[in-house]
Amino acid sequence: DIQMTQSPPSLSASLGDKVTITCQASQNINKYIAWYQQKPGKAPRLLIRYTSTLESGTPSRFSGSGSGRDYSFSISNVESEDIASYYCLQYDNLPPWTFGGGTKLELK
Amino acid sequence: QVQLQQSGAELVKPGTSVKLSCKASGYTFTSNHMNWIKQTTGQGLEWIGIINPGSGGTSYNVKFKGKATLTVDKSSSTAFMQLSSLTPEDSAVYYCARMEAYYFDYWGQGVMVTVSS
Repeated sequence: DIQMTQSPPSLSASLGDKVTITCQASQNINKYIAWYQQKPGKAPRLLIRYTSTLESGTPSRFSGSGSGRDYSFSISNVESEDIASYYCLQYDNLPPWTFGGGTKLELK
Repeated sequence: QVQLQQSGAELVKPGTSVKLSCKASGYTFTSNHMNWIKQTTGQGLEWIGIINPGSGGTSYNVKFKGKATLTVDKSSSTAFMQLSSLTPEDSAVYYCARMEAYYFDYWGQGVMVTVSS
């Protein structure tokens, strides 16, 4: 099984900041990584698939990059509505699908 | 629009079983595989298993084999997950999620299962 190591577990940011979250896979996942946003009491929402492809409705301040084992997810100009938890998902070597441990983004 | 509507919260006793449902709408039910995912504070998000609504074929995470059983009712576009021999460790929020090109694009709202005597 592929392990996804996500960091940091929590992040504190001010409005307008740029923040970056990383996920490292235990082996090459060929860019098959997705990023999700989850607000309290809600289901995860797909933001980005295949490393950097934004889903319809995802604001352009969200971005993703990476290759091989190492991937990153960024939010430029953090807005109050971005306060949430974020998760990566690998969907290359299946099954099983595996998620990162999550990053909780809070306001400073 | 695609919607996955899950059944309501469950409070169940240890050793019993529970069957959760996920009713799909807004797309052709048999065109996309359906997945189930467990979320706990301690373990995060864990993939439980996948079912092909067209054929009924399933695949499970080894961790959940014997614990979860996935089925569908094509006539009502509903996916089900039965959890058996429940213990407090099965207390969690469970999601159904539609698969599109191997990633999960739409999720149900989640259902909280609490196992307690």
